Amino acid sequence: KAGVTQTPRYLIKTRGQQVTLSCSPISGHRSVSWYQQTPGQGLQFLFEYFSETQRNKGNFPGRFSGRQFSNSRSEMNVSTLELGDSALYLCASRSTGGWVETQYFGPGTRLLVL
Amino acid sequence: ELKVEQNPLFLSMQEGKNYTIYCNYSTTSDRLYWYRQDPGKSLESLFVLLSNGAVKQEGRLMASLDTKARLSTLHITAAVHDLSATYFCAVDPYTGNQFYFGTGTSLTVIP
Repeated sequence: KAGVTQTPRYLIKTRGQQVTLSCSPISGHRSVSWYQQTPGQGLQFLFEYFSETQRNKGNFPGRFSGRQFSNSRSEMNVSTLELGDSALYLCASRSTGGWVETQYFGPGTRLLVL
Repeated sequence: ELKVEQNPLFLSMQEGKNYTIYCNYSTTSDRLYWYRQDPGKSLESLFVLLSNGAVKQEGRLMASLDTKARLSTLHITAAVHDLSATYFCAVDPYTGNQFYFGTGTSLTVIP
């Protein structure tokens, strides 16, 4: 079974631009979560989608948004980029969104904001 | 605010030695997960602990969970260089869909 895939893997943007990241979960998985990883703040939860609905949202500004499509693929968007948005963005999937299983992480998208 | 703390943050140990990484969390949770991250790579799932007293072992790693103490441990037995990585614990106390990660423990095993 193919794992979680994320595109693009690397991205360089400038302040004020916007960016869209894509995540394809493991086949059959309906829950997709997004995390931001930085050296200073560690791993922080952004949001989680299940069956095209956002179920949970972390403590991030409204510039961070996401969506999930009917095939469970998910995108996250960051508008008006700031230098502090430079990070590794990780997507994770789970089959049902239940707590008995772990989340499977993709390789991440490394975003650099100049 | 929920806090998940790991210690030590950095661990340098010799091959063949034993050591334990601790993960403390500030709210009740019956669900705890351990991950490994190699430099520049994503997170790899190691263990899922779902009840008080749960113990899981894989190779030289053994994880346990004490929900009353809000503590999980990751014990390393007879360390080898291949275990060098950063180890994270994570709890999911509320909805089953939002992980709170620990600070991470960077482990270096020296030959």
